[in-house]
Amino acid sequence: GEDVEQSLFLSVREGDSSVINCTYTDSSSTYLYWYKQEPGAGLQLLTYIFSNMDMKQDQRLTVLLNKKDKHLSLRIADTQTGDSAIYFCAETSNQAGTALIFGKGTTLSVSS
Amino acid sequence: KAGVTQTPRYLIKTRGQQVTLSCSPISGHRSVSWYQQTPGQGLQFLFEYFSETQRNKGNFPGRFSGRQFSNSRSEMNVSTLELGDSALYLCASSPTGFDTQYFGPGTRLTVL
Repeated sequence: GEDVEQSLFLSVREGDSSVINCTYTDSSSTYLYWYKQEPGAGLQLLTYIFSNMDMKQDQRLTVLLNKKDKHLSLRIADTQTGDSAIYFCAETSNQAGTALIFGKGTTLSVSS
Repeated sequence: KAGVTQTPRYLIKTRGQQVTLSCSPISGHRSVSWYQQTPGQGLQFLFEYFSETQRNKGNFPGRFSGRQFSNSRSEMNVSTLELGDSALYLCASSPTGFDTQYFGPGTRLTVL
């Protein structure tokens, strides 16, 4: 079956690194995504990783994928107050077809 | 390139009414997907259209319907509105549906 789980809250200080974790259950997952949602806004694509990759780095963002444990993480280096938002992990899979399956989202709070 | 646009941004309706939401995808994108976001259920996939055909469907009642036009613009209709239909409705577009989805700002529907 399809299920994506995330911890609900993360609080960090400005300048620290943030690590947001996600687990998924569908072993046929093809792409895994991280989206960001600010208050009153839609979803902004942050980054994605293909299931045959272990790691992807994009400026301050690092995505790690552990396929064996079905675990995905997003690391934000030098976290800023502007990074405060809800972060969603999402997967696509052969079973879900074109549908994105989302986690409930992790609220990141950055204090100065 | 212009992003995904959705109209209207806000809607207030009463129970029993019907509503139509509109989505214009990124130029060149032929796939349009619709998602419902609520505090309780999170982000849930409604349906996806490609080349004017519904290609994928989530687990929602028949009151939720959609269509896609030849220019890839899509509309979503909800009939006989219920209080529980209050949500943020997000539209996403992608070139084929099996690649990265880009989201619009959403339409906030309130049912009184």
